Amino acid sequence: QKEVEQDPGPLSVPEGAIVSLNCTYSNSAFQYFMWYRQYSRKGPELLMYTYSSGNKEDGRFTAQVDKSSKYISLFIRDSQPSDSATYLCAMRGGATNKLIFGTGTLLAVQP
Amino acid sequence: NAGVTQTPKFRVLKTGQSMTLLCAQDMNHEYMYWYRQDPGMGLRLIHYSVGEGTTAKGEVPDGYNVSRLKKQNFLLGLESAAPSQTSVYFCASSSPNRAGSNEQFFGPGTRLTVL
Repeated sequence: QKEVEQDPGPLSVPEGAIVSLNCTYSNSAFQYFMWYRQYSRKGPELLMYTYSSGNKEDGRFTAQVDKSSKYISLFIRDSQPSDSATYLCAMRGGATNKLIFGTGTLLAVQP
Repeated sequence: NAGVTQTPKFRVLKTGQSMTLLCAQDMNHEYMYWYRQDPGMGLRLIHYSVGEGTTAKGEVPDGYNVSRLKKQNFLLGLESAAPSQTSVYFCASSSPNRAGSNEQFFGPGTRLTVL
């Protein structure tokens, strides 16, 4: 079983829809949770970062962490065609700087 | 600020050939990483370095070697390329001084095909 599981998609939604992206994990030592966005043929870039449980909002993006369920989510409101990309969750424990990545979910927002 | 740069962007090798991928960062980051990205597998850590002159194995180190002779550069070597090493390779860097997030900054990638 992988430490981090993520549905690869693809996920196709109409412009303006609310998008929900999710990851589950098995290692209870994970404390830092990130979402990276990767456009086609580009390197990943950090989108959101959350420490421990709770919510974090940044514009149209909201990251949620539920440590009791070992489940993290990224919500995108009013999705735009420019949001079309692969979204990778990543996480790490406190004692290491190494990130464990999910496989990524390919999102397509149709105009 | 160029951030993280990778050389070359594309390369085609024959089985058994060797090559070196170069990563350079201008952000004075202590940590550097090499990943490979394959369909359905996500990003997998090959080797990493926590400082000049130090390297360590990641999740998939076999068939690769690395060197960090200068703080700003991290080299990934393939001594005898195999078709299984066909992949997109990403370099990243981070600073342990940024409390908590340890944000990793990624380069644009190198697309390697081994025939």
